Amino acid sequence: DTAVSQTPKYLVTQMGNDKSIKCEQNLGHDTMYWYKQDSKKFLKIMFSYNNKELIINETVPNRFSPKSPDKAHLNLHINSLELGDSAVYFCASSQAFIQADTQYFGPGTRLTVL
Amino acid sequence: SQQGEEDPQALSIQEGENATMNCSYKTSINNLQWYRQNSGRGLVHLILIRSNEREKHSGRLRVTLDTSKKSSSLLITASRAADTASYFCATSEYGNKLVFGAGTILRVKS
Repeated sequence: DTAVSQTPKYLVTQMGNDKSIKCEQNLGHDTMYWYKQDSKKFLKIMFSYNNKELIINETVPNRFSPKSPDKAHLNLHINSLELGDSAVYFCASSQAFIQADTQYFGPGTRLTVL
Repeated sequence: SQQGEEDPQALSIQEGENATMNCSYKTSINNLQWYRQNSGRGLVHLILIRSNEREKHSGRLRVTLDTSKKSSSLLITASRAADTASYFCATSEYGNKLVFGAGTILRVKS
């Protein structure tokens, strides 16, 4: 059973389009995260939700909007895509936020903006 | 901003040798974690060491933490071809908000 799953795995789209990436975890965790990994492999936190509540919102353009319909799902919607949005986006989850703990990562979504 | 910096950026060794990767960071931390990323895959947690711990072991992995020098090292003993991957350190100042280093690419030749 896949613990943290993301769809789609690959996403190729034109500049200016709007796209969504979905993430689901079946670990019963309270906290979920979105990370962006650029072409140099730098991995940076974008957002985190704890029990459907936004708790981390790094300096991310407001074209990016996360949505957590329930604590097992955290989706990422991106409006007006730009070339610089091309990256691999990872979803992750952990039992809780308040204490340092293992984060479980999804397989990633490779977004290419043309 | 990147918190941790890993050293070396890339490491190539023969199977059976030991691999040592270092991580330096800038601020006070609550804990430090190491993750592995195989090519084209997500990250996998290896080990967590808290700021009041100096050394931790897990199988063939040994992690040290020196908070006075703001540095950590990951030692993989008796490396295998399957250990080929990128290794990242990640620090946390509070809670589970992780800041990742740039990573070390390890190649183990068989």
